[in-house]
Amino acid sequence: EAGVTQFPSHSVIEKGQTVTLRCDPISGHDNLYWYRRVMGKEIKFLLHFVKESKQDESGMPNNRFLAERTGGTYSTLKVQPAELEDSGVYFCASSHRTSGKTYEQYFGPGTRLTVT
Amino acid sequence: AQSVTQLDSHVSVSEGTPVLLRCNYSSSYSPSLFWYVQHPNKGLQLLLKYTSAATLVKGINGFEAEFKKSETSFHLTKPSAHMSDAAEYFCVVSVVTALIFGKGTTLSVSS
Repeated sequence: EAGVTQFPSHSVIEKGQTVTLRCDPISGHDNLYWYRRVMGKEIKFLLHFVKESKQDESGMPNNRFLAERTGGTYSTLKVQPAELEDSGVYFCASSHRTSGKTYEQYFGPGTRLTVT
Repeated sequence: AQSVTQLDSHVSVSEGTPVLLRCNYSSSYSPSLFWYVQHPNKGLQLLLKYTSAATLVKGINGFEAEFKKSETSFHLTKPSAHMSDAAEYFCVVSVVTALIFGKGTTLSVSS
């Protein structure tokens, strides 16, 4: 079974440019999550999809970030326009459908974003 | 509010000696707790999880953790460190479905 994959693994862009990160969850996982780790800080939750619907986007830092999951399969996270403080590692995770149980989240390797 | 505090940012041990990575949690109800590990240039891997069953939880690669409600702790241990255990370890609490991470503990293992 393939794990969670993320593309690209690294991205270096200039301030003001746009970047789109992609996440492919494990097949059959309805839940998809985005997290971010800014240098020197802890990993923080950004948002949660259940299939194609945003269940919780309380962690999204501002309206320069747009996440989509069309068709309930892969997801994209777009940053437009990018700012210096957006640099960090963006992780994607997926899990089975939740129904009163806590299912573990499986993480991808992350995308390292550097904004210069 | 839920939170976790990892008490050490860096732990150094010698190969073959015990490992102890400390974590305290704060939760207004019975929490789900996890330990994840990240090896260099790799993704986060689940080591073990506690979800209100047995308080002593066994994970992969010989790691285990004990949930102590009276001490609000969930420390990670391993009897004998191996060089391959060198990595960053995260204590995590689940809030509904989102995960809240501690700041991480970097484990160094010397020969």
